[in-house]
This record gives sequence, C-alpha cells and structure tokens, in this order.
Amino acid sequence: AQSVSQHNHHVILSEAASLELGCNYSYGGTVNLFWYVQYPGQHLQLLLKYFSGDPLVKGIKGFEAEFIKSKFSFNLRKPSVQWSDTAEYFCAVNAQGDYKLSFGAGTTVTVRA
Amino acid sequence: NAGVTQTPKFQVLKTGQSMTLQCAQDMNHNSMYWYRQDPGMGLRLIYYSASEGTTDKGEVPNGYNVSRLNKREFSLRLESAAPSQTSVYFCAAGGGAQGTGELFFGEGSRLTVL
Repeated sequence: AQSVSQHNHHVILSEAASLELGCNYSYGGTVNLFWYVQYPGQHLQLLLKYFSGDPLVKGIKGFEAEFIKSKFSFNLRKPSVQWSDTAEYFCAVNAQGDYKLSFGAGTTVTVRA
Repeated sequence: NAGVTQTPKFQVLKTGQSMTLQCAQDMNHNSMYWYRQDPGMGLRLIYYSASEGTTDKGEVPNGYNVSRLNKREFSLRLESAAPSQTSVYFCAAGGGAQGTGELFFGEGSRLTVL
C-alpha cells in the first residue's frame, strides 16, 4: 500500500513570500498524485493533479507542483503567496488502477498580511 | 446543484450509542468514499464503494459499517460509538475511472463521543 509524508506541519509566511511544501510518497509502481486545499471552515477542494506527461503541473490560484519520479516527490509551489492562501494543504496519492486515495497528514499554511 | 451533501453536520453521542451518517451526491459519480480527519493525521480512508453494489475496507474500517444504498447514497454507521471515534467525517464522490479523477468532498460531519 502507498503512504504519503508531508514534511512541514505548520508554515508561517508573509504576503509575497514564496511557498514550497514538500511531499514524498512510498510506492514502487505508477501513481496518480494530487494536492488538495482546505480553506478555514470549508471542505477540501482540488488544487492540481498529475497522471502522466509533463512533470510540472499547474493548478488553480497560481499553484504548481513538480513530480520528480527518482525522488518519489511531488512538491507544491507558489511564487508569491497572498493572505487568502491561508489554509491546510494535503498531498494525496493513489496507485494507478486503485480507487483508494491516501492522504498525507497535511500542512497548515498561515500567511500574515 | 448541491454536489455532495452530508447529514448531520454535528452530533454528540454517548459511548455505546449508535448512529448513521448520511451522504448523497447529485454528480452521477460511480465511486464514493468515507474519510475521517484527525489533527496531525490528515484524512484516513474508512470505507469506499467503487460502484453501486460494492463496498471495500480502507485503512481504518474497525468499528464502522457502510451501505451503498444506490448510486447516489452511501451511509456510514457506528454501531457502538467509542471516544476514539470522535472526529470529523468527510464523504466524497468521484475518482473517475480507476481513481484517476478528482474527489468532490462534502462539508464534513463533526462527531463527538463522550
């Protein structure tokens, strides 16, 4: 079974700073990769996803993520954060052909104005 | 177009009581899921249903049962609630063909077991 680890539990940034959240997974086969976001008081929603092709994927709200197969990583980035990016971010992975989606523990991002 | 709807949104139970969390989707997805969210542990899969008529265990199925009533509805039952089941429960639908698609989540149900 696959597992997901997110390195940072809580990240605090100032507006306009750059953001990078780490995500590593453990699974030897082909995977689908996702980043979800949960804004305060809201339900989870998809930021971006990777299935195949270009390892640099772009999502909503200026976020992007890079899949590095050799490192089993799928790190999330945003060049310049806004106060409205304050949220909890979850990396998720499933093995291709498997319905079960495994989530990491999440990273809380606080952006100070 | 409500997406994924969960009821109730809040519930307090005493140890040993039973309850059912209801979930309905109007998005015509084949797959539905129940997750629990606990601080520092992210979301953990309890049960899922790849299609109407099938259900399978996830990471943490003990103490729970599910029913896929039809394509729209997927309920989660706690037969004898325990304090360790205090959590926020999320229902989701989607996943596409063999898990390649986006999951759409409900707003969550906060359960406290005393």
